[in-house]
Amino acid sequence: DVKVTQSSRYLVKRTGEKVFLECVQDMDHENMFWYRQDPGLGLRLIYFSYDVKMKEKGDIPEGYSVSREKKERFSLILESASTNQTSMYLCASSLFGPQAFFGQGTRLTVV
Amino acid sequence: GNSVTQMEGPVTLSEEAFLTINCTYTATGYPSLFWYVQYPGEGLQLLLKATKADDKGSNKGFEATYRKETTSFHLEKGSVQVSDSAVYFCALSPMDSSYKLIFGSGTRLLVRP
Repeated sequence: DVKVTQSSRYLVKRTGEKVFLECVQDMDHENMFWYRQDPGLGLRLIYFSYDVKMKEKGDIPEGYSVSREKKERFSLILESASTNQTSMYLCASSLFGPQAFFGQGTRLTVV
Repeated sequence: GNSVTQMEGPVTLSEEAFLTINCTYTATGYPSLFWYVQYPGEGLQLLLKATKADDKGSNKGFEATYRKETTSFHLEKGSVQVSDSAVYFCALSPMDSSYKLIFGSGTRLLVRP
């Protein structure tokens, strides 16, 4: 089975902190994604990576950056956390195409 | 632009009732269509998919048919169980993007014993 592992289930950070969310997949997938999930809005794509060191902005990239130094690892970075970034963050990976496997999510609270 | 509209929840049913969760989409051409399920405390899992018109996706007793004429992909199950309680997301992948998924807002299903 494909396993996508997010490093934290719950995080509480202070406004202005730099926050790192880590994601690792074990199936040698080319594509990795970061989504944000908010009630009533579904999932929205933040960033997408199709190869090591390659990335593309999704629908809501403002306030976020990403890093993919190794194929199996995709990090989401909040440069200066704000309260409107309180949300559930979901990482996903896919070999090709849109059929993605998701991690369990990280619930981030910014206070 | 591309979008997915789902019926608002929560949907509350008794065990063994028939389930329909409506999903309609807006997209050019022939997108691929998906249903994902999120059980409490977990990430999303692919439930079923359909890649062309009139295809029927099915899994775990759930079914959905790709209806191009009505731009719909409604999820159905003949007899729900308590264990089906979850949030269900309809999603599409546009023809012009091989990786992108556009999600609906999700519909919470609660099945009572």
